Amino acid sequence: AQSVTQPDIHITVSEGASLELRCNYSYGATPYLFWYVQSPGQGLQLLLKYFSGDTLVQGIKGFEAEFKRSQSSFNLRKPSVHWSDAAEYFCAVNNNAGNMLTFGGGTRLMVKP
Amino acid sequence: GAGVSQSPRYKVAKRGQDVALRCDPISGHVSLFWYQQALGQGPEFLTYFQNEAQLDKSGLPSDRFFAERPEGSVSTLKIQRTQQEDSAVYLCASSASMHNEQFFGPGTRLTVL
Repeated sequence: AQSVTQPDIHITVSEGASLELRCNYSYGATPYLFWYVQSPGQGLQLLLKYFSGDTLVQGIKGFEAEFKRSQSSFNLRKPSVHWSDAAEYFCAVNNNAGNMLTFGGGTRLMVKP
Repeated sequence: GAGVSQSPRYKVAKRGQDVALRCDPISGHVSLFWYQQALGQGPEFLTYFQNEAQLDKSGLPSDRFFAERPEGSVSTLKIQRTQQEDSAVYLCASSASMHNEQFFGPGTRLTVL
């Protein structure tokens, strides 16, 4: 069965600092990988996705993620964090049948002024 | 271009009551998903429709949970004889087809007293 692990439950960074959120997945075949962001009281918004091809993918709001098959990782990065980036971030994997998403437990990002 | 909408946004039920949660997907979207998000956790898959056909209901936690999408558009998630452990945010998502991005609604927060 597929699974997603986000090792960091909470992360605090200073505004303007760089950010990396970790995501490890367990899946037998080539996965479809996603990062979503959830602000309080809001639904999930897709930041970026990886299906195939270039392992470095660019997303919205200045985020990027790199797929590393050898490490079963899909870490999310941003070079300079803004206060508005404070939210919960979820990594997810899609199974081969293309229906259900399996989510990690989430990482709550706090941004210090 | 309205997104996915869900109603009600908040629902308080007494233990043992039946509840019905509604999801209006993006017009024309073939696939519709329901997820359950417990407090402090990532969303967990409940069930999936392609048009009016329920193709996967493996995530429904018990036979008290029932979902339908009779005309291939609006979907209703019904929970009978609610229990305290049913308290969660219920998220609906739709996509144009399999392997496409899932667009999420704002969710319905269910509290069972």
